Amino acid sequence: EVQLVESGGGLIQPGGSLRLSCTASGFTVSSNYMNWVRQAPGKGLEWVSIIYSGGSIYYADSVKGRFTISRDNSKNTVYLQMNSLRAEDTAVYYCARTPYGSGNLFDYWGQGTLVTVSS
Amino acid sequence: EIVMTQSPATLSVSPGERATLSCRASQSVSSHLAWYQQKPGQAPRLLIYGASTKATGIPARFSGSGSGTEFTLTISSLQSEDFAVYYCQQYNSWPSFGGGTKVEIK
Repeated sequence: EVQLVESGGGLIQPGGSLRLSCTASGFTVSSNYMNWVRQAPGKGLEWVSIIYSGGSIYYADSVKGRFTISRDNSKNTVYLQMNSLRAEDTAVYYCARTPYGSGNLFDYWGQGTLVTVSS
Repeated sequence: EIVMTQSPATLSVSPGERATLSCRASQSVSSHLAWYQQKPGQAPRLLIYGASTKATGIPARFSGSGSGTEFTLTISSLQSEDFAVYYCQQYNSWPSFGGGTKVEIK
């Protein structure tokens, strides 16, 4: 069974840093494309970042230069390092899988982890 | 960036009735269009991809149509578990989502 479990969210002051983790089971993250998608409270969905199976990485303009996606194949885990956090980064952050070769759609999602940026 | 626009923002429907949700892209996305369902406190769930292909385990009452810039999600006979927010998403380029349509009980 495919499962994604996020962790690492919490309350952080503006300008601070946080690292989110997404541990997968039932499949291998290195053979798929892994994403972070966020949802501000009461708002819609926003794609944040992707790491392809070959290692290529891309970011939404809103987080470029501040967020870094990475993966640890030995732990079957994907990370999102978030620096220079702003109030507008407050959201539930979901980890989501894109099946290999399918384009950037999302077939499995984690339950999400809430990041609150506030003083 | 491709902008996705969904309408209506809220749809009030009685159980057993048909619901029709619309999604428009600011430029052609071919058939690279997905639909998701999201219930309160839950992650989105993939319903439809390729504009019209149902994901695994999705009931037959859900159907998708369209191509280019105009897309439709139809729920043929609403069940109690279908009241939720629905999002469209294009994946012809960097992914972008519509603002969502909330399907509520009339």
